Amino acid sequence: GAGVSQTPSNKVTEKGKYVELRCDPISGHTALYWYRQSLGQGPEFLIYFQGTGAADDSGLPNDRFFAVRPEGSVSTLKIQRTERGDSAVYLCASGQGGGFVEQFFGPGTRLTVL
Amino acid sequence: LAKTTQPISMDSYEGQEVNITCSHNNIATNDYITWYQQFPSQGPRFIIQGYKTKVTNEVASLFIPADRKSSTLSLPRVSLSDTAVYYCLVGDISFQKLVFGTGTRLLVSP
Repeated sequence: GAGVSQTPSNKVTEKGKYVELRCDPISGHTALYWYRQSLGQGPEFLIYFQGTGAADDSGLPNDRFFAVRPEGSVSTLKIQRTERGDSAVYLCASGQGGGFVEQFFGPGTRLTVL
Repeated sequence: LAKTTQPISMDSYEGQEVNITCSHNNIATNDYITWYQQFPSQGPRFIIQGYKTKVTNEVASLFIPADRKSSTLSLPRVSLSDTAVYYCLVGDISFQKLVFGTGTRLLVSP
């Protein structure tokens, strides 16, 4: 079946602009996760949704970052007033929501802030 | 969360068995050990998970000694396509977020 998809695959923006990154999880997966990965580092947790609600947003670096999942399926990560330090690959994963079990990752969106 | 330590990089040749060891001295009673694989320009992919002794699937084996302070991911007869970064993660089964370190970069040569 279809895996996790993310759009766009690449996004180049200018410092100060607003961006939205989209994630389509695997159908039926109730849990959805966002991670951020910088070059040479492992992915870093940002936020976790169980259904429509953000169950854990402790990884969001500051209030410029916000994520929604209004219907419990597709999620959008929103970044306001982008900074050059926001440049990274943003990964989305989905799962059955049973805890520290297998998460299925998408290919990521590479964000470059000039 | 238990801190993990694994080699930064490893080199191997096609057809060899590769063993990547991860150290997790302060692993807690409820913690599981999970390994993920990541190819360039792709998201991580789950390989295997275990609690104790040995777990084997079609891709790899995971060896966990009795004290659980380390674990070894074993990849039999690697091929060029096994070149990737391998992450060892340790956490309570109830945790949702995954905590990745910097992983082990495995390079398989002809």
